[in-house]
Amino acid sequence: RKEVEQDPGPFNVPEGATVAFNCTYSNSASQSFFWYRQDCRKEPKLLMSVYSSGNEDGRFTAQLNRASQYISLLIRDSKLSDSATYLCVVIRMDSSYKLIFGSGTRLLVRP
Amino acid sequence: GAGVSQTPSNKVTEKGKYVELRCDPISGHTALYWYRQSLGQGPEFLIYFQGTGAADDSGLPNDRFFAVRPEGSVSTLKIQRTERGDSAVYLCASSLSPGVQETQYFGPGTRLLVL
Repeated sequence: RKEVEQDPGPFNVPEGATVAFNCTYSNSASQSFFWYRQDCRKEPKLLMSVYSSGNEDGRFTAQLNRASQYISLLIRDSKLSDSATYLCVVIRMDSSYKLIFGSGTRLLVRP
Repeated sequence: GAGVSQTPSNKVTEKGKYVELRCDPISGHTALYWYRQSLGQGPEFLIYFQGTGAADDSGLPNDRFFAVRPEGSVSTLKIQRTERGDSAVYLCASSLSPGVQETQYFGPGTRLLVL
């Protein structure tokens, strides 16, 4: 079992839809959480950090549930340009700040 | 400003050959990471440098893999006796300093194909 698990998708949604991705992590020493975005054949880029209180950045909302070891990302009013792979990432407190990635969830937004 | 750069962007080699992959981090970034990404997977950690020293090399798969960062800036990942299973995208990332809230910025990667 991978340390960070994600539904691989793809999620195929129309423009304007709301879509949610989930992620679970298995190591209770995980202390920092992020969502990265990766376009096809490009490098991953930080989308947003995830905080226990939940946080929002425009159309994107991230939530963290430490008790359930669960992270979510909600995208409202999807745009064609949101089509990408979304990677759930954790950093453990007992590690060297290395990023531990899930396999990613692929999103396709259609016109 | 300039981001992380990696060379070559693509490398095709034959099984058993030696390859070197280069990473130029963002200027002034002291922390440097190497990751490897196989098709359909997320990146996997290989090695982390703080300055010139390898602070964590626990992700290197075996002793055919080695990395250096002699002057605390450019890093080279070296793979000896390449195998077909080494084919992947090798990503380098840097951050201003080590820390959980320090963003890691990735380079475009080197696509390695071992025939």
